[in-house]
Amino acid sequence: EPEVTQTPSHQVTQMGQEVILRCVPISNHLYFYWYRQILGQKVEFLVSFYNNEISEKSEIFDDQFSVERPDGSNFTLKIRSTKLEDSAMYFCASRGDIYSNQPQHFGDGTRLSIL
Amino acid sequence: ILNVEQSPQSLHVQEGDSTNFTCSFPSSNFYALHWYRWETAKSPEALFVMTLNGDEKKKGRISATLNTKEGYSYLYIKGSQPEDSATYLCAFYSGSARQLTFGSGTQLTVLP
Repeated sequence: EPEVTQTPSHQVTQMGQEVILRCVPISNHLYFYWYRQILGQKVEFLVSFYNNEISEKSEIFDDQFSVERPDGSNFTLKIRSTKLEDSAMYFCASRGDIYSNQPQHFGDGTRLSIL
Repeated sequence: ILNVEQSPQSLHVQEGDSTNFTCSFPSSNFYALHWYRWETAKSPEALFVMTLNGDEKKKGRISATLNTKEGYSYLYIKGSQPEDSATYLCAFYSGSARQLTFGSGTQLTVLP
């Protein structure tokens, strides 16, 4: 069964450094998402992406964050200047079609640790 | 800010017991309610997406019901097995926010 893959599984970065988290969504999917979960808290929506542009973004997704689909297969989340509070599990998800009543397919996540 | 609540937070049951847990969500601007099963160190796996008031969905021993007027959904597991041990997440999709808002999950442990 096709799946969403994320790399790396664990990223350790110094505060203030830029980090790029990578995702390969399911190949014929059209909608892409990033979520994060800070340890002990709820999964939080960050951003959705469709047709090469951001569809929705949450308050968390400020100017330090950006997303890109550079080559038709990868979907990346960049954090420009990381802060300690960016430490979290980051999940990528994708959905196949236009209907929001279809499930999202999640990757295994990248654990980001900011030192 | 949309409030999605799940209860109980955690649950221990014996193998063979049936169990259920609750997800409550805003009753306005409802579009869909998702249930996901999340095992440790794995990705959340979609169980159901429910859209209609009164909807009932079933997948093996797991089923779910939906009441959009009062803003709740129940997830039932019949004859729990140790492999059902996981966190069960619900997520609300509103027509206005156009994003999934997750509950904090119910962590189920099934003891052999």
